[in-house]
Amino acid sequence: GQQVMQIPQYQHVQEGEDFTTYCNSSTTLSNIQWYKQRPGGHPVFLIQLVKSGEVKKQKRLTFQFGEAKKNSSLHITATQTTDVGTYFCAGPRAGGSYIPTFGRGTSLIVHP
Amino acid sequence: GAGVSQSPRYKVTKRGQDVALRCDPISGHVSLYWYRQALGQGPEFLTYFNYEAQQDKSGLPNDRFSAERPEGSISTLTIQRTEQRDSAMYRCASSLALGVAGVTDTQYFGPGTRLTVL
Repeated sequence: GQQVMQIPQYQHVQEGEDFTTYCNSSTTLSNIQWYKQRPGGHPVFLIQLVKSGEVKKQKRLTFQFGEAKKNSSLHITATQTTDVGTYFCAGPRAGGSYIPTFGRGTSLIVHP
Repeated sequence: GAGVSQSPRYKVTKRGQDVALRCDPISGHVSLYWYRQALGQGPEFLTYFNYEAQQDKSGLPNDRFSAERPEGSISTLTIQRTEQRDSAMYRCASSLALGVAGVTDTQYFGPGTRLTVL
């Protein structure tokens, strides 16, 4: 079945540095979602991308969907300690399913 | 309004006992999903409902796991004869409605139930 792979698994940054996490799929995705899970918390929806080459911004966060709709990235500019958490991408299962398949996540650790 | 709630938040049980985990979705949400999340992993799909109908249970690990949503609102995930390998965080999520075919709806997650089987 379709899987989404995320890299890196962990990323340590100094506060103020930028951060990027990547999500890759072996198959074309109709859409991709990004979630953030704070330590001890639950996944919270951030954004959904649907169109090929789409770029969306939320303050310091920039989300991209690849032209081939097989990869996506989340970039955070000038990280803050409030950005700490695990970022998950999720794509639908193959075959027109509504069921999201989550990546393993990238854990961001921000050092003050 | 209130978000998704789950109870209990923590459950410690002995191997061989049955457990029932409850999920109360956001009012009006059509779809309800159950996931299991291991430490350091993303949520792993177990089963989901549209209204009261269980649409897909392909993620349930074995026949000790079952779920129901009899009135299309609250759902219960039951694990019979629990085993130590069942220890995990069990999460419920709801979504508003079916969207475009093949496009996943926004998932609103609950706080989860941490199950520990001794």
